[in-house]
Amino acid sequence: QVQLVQSGAEVKKPGSSVKVSCKASGGTFSSYAISWVRQAPGQGLEWMGRIIPILGIANYAQKFQGRVTITADKSTSTAYMELSSLRSEDTAVYYCASTYCSSTSCYRWFDPWGQGTLVTVSS
Amino acid sequence: QSALTQPASVSGSPGQSITISCTGTSSDVGGYNYVSWYQQHPGKAPKLMIYDVSNRPSGVSNRFSGSKSGNTASLTISGLQAEDEADYYCSSYTSSSTPVFGGGTKLTVL
Repeated sequence: QVQLVQSGAEVKKPGSSVKVSCKASGGTFSSYAISWVRQAPGQGLEWMGRIIPILGIANYAQKFQGRVTITADKSTSTAYMELSSLRSEDTAVYYCASTYCSSTSCYRWFDPWGQGTLVTVSS
Repeated sequence: QSALTQPASVSGSPGQSITISCTGTSSDVGGYNYVSWYQQHPGKAPKLMIYDVSNRPSGVSNRFSGSKSGNTASLTISGLQAEDEADYYCSSYTSSSTPVFGGGTKLTVL
């Protein structure tokens, strides 16, 4: 089964951007979609978007449209999530999570998850 | 897409059974058999416990079970153990072809 390892914690200034990585190992990267889910302190889970690396197609939650970009590098089995115009409300733990995809469709659940990356936005 | 509705907290004693509800609409929970449940211990990543309403991944205890009726899905944990104390989140596929999560439920084992 695939395992996901994320990049380390980040501290950013308001208005700047952050790029978090998620490296997959132990599975076939092209067989998975990678979603990004965030969790603000003491809050619930919020889906941001996903990419299907083999297709290079990404789709995003309406809330984050225009501010988030999800990409994937098949050569290194790594997915990336870049969030721009950061504000204090973006302080959260950001998780990547995988979804197995067959040739025709993707499953509708997330398993496994990365360990999470804390992004702190503060002046 | 609005978050699915879960109770903020539930509690039970060791050995008892508890049920956590997850209420949505016909555009998500009620419209698809694509509800999943996740367990999250403090400071840890979520872990898949149930998928497609009632299926358990390999390695998940059979004390965990899922069901759905109309627009409400449920997670039942039988024979409560101290290690079950965690936050639980439901998720559903939606008519927008995107997933939505519930607000989460804190389970306390008394």
